[in-house]
Amino acid sequence: KQEVTQIPAALSVPEGENLVLNCSFTDSAIYNLQWFRQDPGKGLTSLLLIQSSQREQTSGRLNASLDKSSGRSTLYIAASQPGDSATYLCAVPKTSYDKVIFGPGTSLSVIP
Amino acid sequence: GAVVSQHPSWVICKSGTSVKIECRSLDFQATTMFWYRQFPKQSLMLMATSNEGSKATYEQGVEKDKFLINHASLTLSTLTVTSAHPEDSSFYICSARVPGSLPEAFFGQGTRLTVV
Repeated sequence: KQEVTQIPAALSVPEGENLVLNCSFTDSAIYNLQWFRQDPGKGLTSLLLIQSSQREQTSGRLNASLDKSSGRSTLYIAASQPGDSATYLCAVPKTSYDKVIFGPGTSLSVIP
Repeated sequence: GAVVSQHPSWVICKSGTSVKIECRSLDFQATTMFWYRQFPKQSLMLMATSNEGSKATYEQGVEKDKFLINHASLTLSTLTVTSAHPEDSSFYICSARVPGSLPEAFFGQGTRLTVV
């Protein structure tokens, strides 16, 4: 059974800092890995998707890496801004049509 | 990308009543949809997998008689919370995949249910 964990559970940083969020999964047989952002009381915003054959993906100030063999992914946020404050979730499906299993999330607070 | 529309975005109901939440795939056909529930400050937990034309598959611990799922067409799945109680108050969100086409999972906007 796939289990997804995220470290840290919460993070508070001053504006401008670079930061790394970690995601681990127990079953390396994944189809891809997605990173989402969730603002309080809101739905999910897809940030990045890394296919199982890829090592990393970049979008603006965000960079996500994937090490499938070790069951790890990191989300790197450069030059953090207060608007980045949200909960970040990683999620993995086993196949192209399978359910997505979510991690517990990292709650990020960027202090102006 | 594909669009999944969920309705309503929020609902308040009295204890003992039933509430129906709709999940539609707007520009693709979804033979399978997924229903998740999220309690405050917790992550999303899969409740059930909705299969078009057949019975839904429920995760362990989810009462199938309380959370009725109907997937009558390739573009619509509904979740009905029957005899709602305050402990059913939660954020419910649906998802669909487009196998063989788009790799990512697409999510509805979510429904905030409050039972009073």
